[in-house]
Amino acid sequence: AQSVTQPDIHITVSEGASLELRCNYSYGATPYLFWYVQSPGQGLQLLLKYFSGDTLVQGIKGFEAEFKRSQSSFNLRKPSVHWSDAAEYFCAVLPYGQNFVFGPGTRLSVLP
Amino acid sequence: DAGITQSPRYKITETGRQVTLMCHQTWSHSYMFWYRQDLGHGLRLIYYSAAADITDKGEVPDGYVVSRSKTENFPLTLESATRSQTSVYFCASGTMDNEQFFGPGTRLTVL
Repeated sequence: AQSVTQPDIHITVSEGASLELRCNYSYGATPYLFWYVQSPGQGLQLLLKYFSGDTLVQGIKGFEAEFKRSQSSFNLRKPSVHWSDAAEYFCAVLPYGQNFVFGPGTRLSVLP
Repeated sequence: DAGITQSPRYKITETGRQVTLMCHQTWSHSYMFWYRQDLGHGLRLIYYSAAADITDKGEVPDGYVVSRSKTENFPLTLESATRSQTSVYFCASGTMDNEQFFGPGTRLTVL
């Protein structure tokens, strides 16, 4: 079945540590790929997106994501996490001719 | 200011009552969307609209009605609210093949 999965429901990292949030999708053709962040009580904000080309995508707030076709993955990374990064992170895909599909989200907690 | 707004931000209602959630965008985006967010489900699409007077069902449309008489407005109506419709509702606008811009959300509680 077509789906978007985020295997980690909740991740806790220490401030200054590196971060990787996982996202996998199962669609026949590579969809457009997105990462959104949601701070408590807020709407979703786009961090970055991948349509084609360079598989390493840079986004806002120091985030990057790498598209790996062989693994059907689009993992989000940040080399050094700040306390303000604590939020919910959603991977989303936009298959051709279809609507957005969002993953269930990963909640990030940051320890001081 | 340009952007997307939702009202009310918080709403408490009773089972069986009609509730309308408002969404307004100033970007003149052709597409508008309504999602509900529930723990463990991420965001699920309720309805979307490609243009004024064009609407279509998403993943979870039952119990909801939408209209779009003007490009900038996309109200969502719960005709007879049920407890299972307690959720956070997000409106978004954008283009079909690009990012979506989200409103701040409406937290709806149905007692």
